[in-house]
Amino acid sequence: DVKVTQSSRYLVKRTGEKVFLECVQDMDHENMFWYRQDPGLGLRLIYFSYDVKMKEKGDIPEGYSVSREKKERFSLILESASTNQTSMYLCASSLRGAQNEQFFGPGTRLTVL
Amino acid sequence: DAKTTQPPSMDCAEGRAANLPCNHSTISGNEYVYWYRQIHSQGPQYIIHGLKNNETNEMASLIITEDRKSSTLILPHATLRDTAVYYCIVRGVNAGGTSYGKLTFGQGTILTVHP
Repeated sequence: DVKVTQSSRYLVKRTGEKVFLECVQDMDHENMFWYRQDPGLGLRLIYFSYDVKMKEKGDIPEGYSVSREKKERFSLILESASTNQTSMYLCASSLRGAQNEQFFGPGTRLTVL
Repeated sequence: DAKTTQPPSMDCAEGRAANLPCNHSTISGNEYVYWYRQIHSQGPQYIIHGLKNNETNEMASLIITEDRKSSTLILPHATLRDTAVYYCIVRGVNAGGTSYGKLTFGQGTILTVHP
């Protein structure tokens, strides 16, 4: 069964802290994505990666960075967390090619105080 | 990507078929119709997708009209576990100017399955 896992389901951090969100997939997928989901705003793409060490900005990359050192792992980094980054963060992966379905992890609900 | 319109909410009795409509009147020739759902506090789950022909898998059926301007997702025997927000998405193979296919979810349809 396909699986995307995220390091935490719930996380509480303070303003200014550096935050790492980890995502691991076991499907040998080339593409990996980080989204955030907020009420009334739907799903928004932060960054995606189409190969190891390759990354592309999505629609809202400001305040975030990513790292993909291994094919199965894609990390989202909040360099200095702010309260407006309180959100549900979702990781997804897919085979290469935009028509392929994306498989999502369970999400991390991050609260920045 | 083409915009989609879905009813905000629908109800369905357990064991009956749930038919969820989606309008996508501006769809273009190379755009697929995708359906995802999201159960409360979980990540979205892929259901099905199609281009022109009707599609069926173990979860659902997708009926696309001949002019491709609308589609219907059918859950043949709804259960309480099918209560979720259902998202209809239209996107092209080269969505967003890349081949990597970002997903854009609208507000979706809240389906509530009653006992």
